[in-house]
Amino acid sequence: DQQVKQNSPSLSVQEGRISILNCDYTNSMFDYFLWYKKYPAEGPTFLISISSIKDKNEDGRFTVFLNKSAKHLSLHIVPSQPGDSAVYFCAASRDRDDKIIFGKGTRLHILP
Amino acid sequence: AAGVIQSPRHLIKEKRETATLKCYPIPRHDTVYWYQQGPGQDPQFLISFYEKMQSDKGSIPDRFSAQQLSDYHSELNMSSLELGDSALYFCASSPRLGQEGEQFFGPGTRLTVL
Repeated sequence: DQQVKQNSPSLSVQEGRISILNCDYTNSMFDYFLWYKKYPAEGPTFLISISSIKDKNEDGRFTVFLNKSAKHLSLHIVPSQPGDSAVYFCAASRDRDDKIIFGKGTRLHILP
Repeated sequence: AAGVIQSPRHLIKEKRETATLKCYPIPRHDTVYWYQQGPGQDPQFLISFYEKMQSDKGSIPDRFSAQQLSDYHSELNMSSLELGDSALYFCASSPRLGQEGEQFFGPGTRLTVL
């Protein structure tokens, strides 16, 4: 049973436009939600996170929105840059020091 | 800034051999996690340690064991290796009072079992 779902395996976005990556979750016990970026043969790189008491968190070009009632979160990247091309994992945990449950990932392609 | 260090980066073993993977967390991070990522899969949690004590256990085979030592580095010991153990093994660390649950991952060890 996949508790964190990323239903789009891939996404292509024009350079300079907004990239929106979506994620749904099923476990209402999750309190922390995270986004990681991953290049092949490298470890996941932490991008941004949000706790369940917030509905928005922003860091530079990255903004995460959380809709608890819909059990849905999204990552907005604006403007998209060529270096943003990578696999993005949505992840969640029940507590600050709890294990992370990952989605299957979305491969983002930034087109020139 | 210091990152999580994992060694070795690549490891090739035969079936039924043993392997030891090492992880050096970010200084002052007291929690260490191990994850396994199979080909085309998402990372799956194996085991975690807080202050040198096991804090949680996931889908880790009985053939695997792990520990966090006195200097906070961690070792994942794998015995009777099987072909299906071929994967990327990531270690992550976090501070006890991380802001919002973030864990910082190392570059991974790619284990190939022949």
